[in-house]
Amino acid sequence: EPEVTQTPSHQVTQMGQEVILRCVPISNHLYFYWYRQILGQKVEFLVSFYNNEISEKSEIFDDQFSVERPDGSNFTLKIRSTKLEDSAMYFCASSPRAIIDGNQPQHFGDGTRLSIL
Amino acid sequence: RKEVEQDPGPFNVPEGATVAFNCTYSNSASQSFFWYRQDCRKEPKLLMSVYSSGNEDGRFTAQLNRASQYISLLIRDSKLSDSATYLCVVGVPYNFNKFYFGSGTKLNVKP
Repeated sequence: EPEVTQTPSHQVTQMGQEVILRCVPISNHLYFYWYRQILGQKVEFLVSFYNNEISEKSEIFDDQFSVERPDGSNFTLKIRSTKLEDSAMYFCASSPRAIIDGNQPQHFGDGTRLSIL
Repeated sequence: RKEVEQDPGPFNVPEGATVAFNCTYSNSASQSFFWYRQDCRKEPKLLMSVYSSGNEDGRFTAQLNRASQYISLLIRDSKLSDSATYLCVVGVPYNFNKFYFGSGTKLNVKP
């Protein structure tokens, strides 16, 4: 069964450094998402991406965050100048079609654990 | 008001018990409904979609009540391996695709 893959599985970075989290969504999926989950808390939406542009972003997704689909297969999340509070699990997800087309669940990658020191 | 609300639990039940979770959503334009299971420090995994007519998958039954805006998950004959957090997820078809997550209900199945 096709799956979403994320790399690295764990990233340790000094505060103030930039990190890039990578995701390869399922190949025929059209909608891509990033979420984060701080330990012990709920899954929080960061950003959705469709047709090579951001379709929606949350208030968490401020100017330090950016997303890109550089080559038609990878979907990356960049965090510039990381802060201690950016420490969390970051999940990438993809879904095949629009919600309006019927029940189209998201499929999640197994996440990148980001630790900011 | 939160978009999706769930009782955080924990629900502590013995093996073999039947347990039910509810989830309420606030947006009447919601169109897609799912239950995900999340194990500690792992990614959410799709358990089942929820259809208007209700649907069943083995020991799991999901129901949708659009009038009252809630969905439910029933687990029969609980197994130790069912211990996890169950996430209610609701999809709203504006801004292309927007999914709202509940905070999850924790289930502990004990021997």
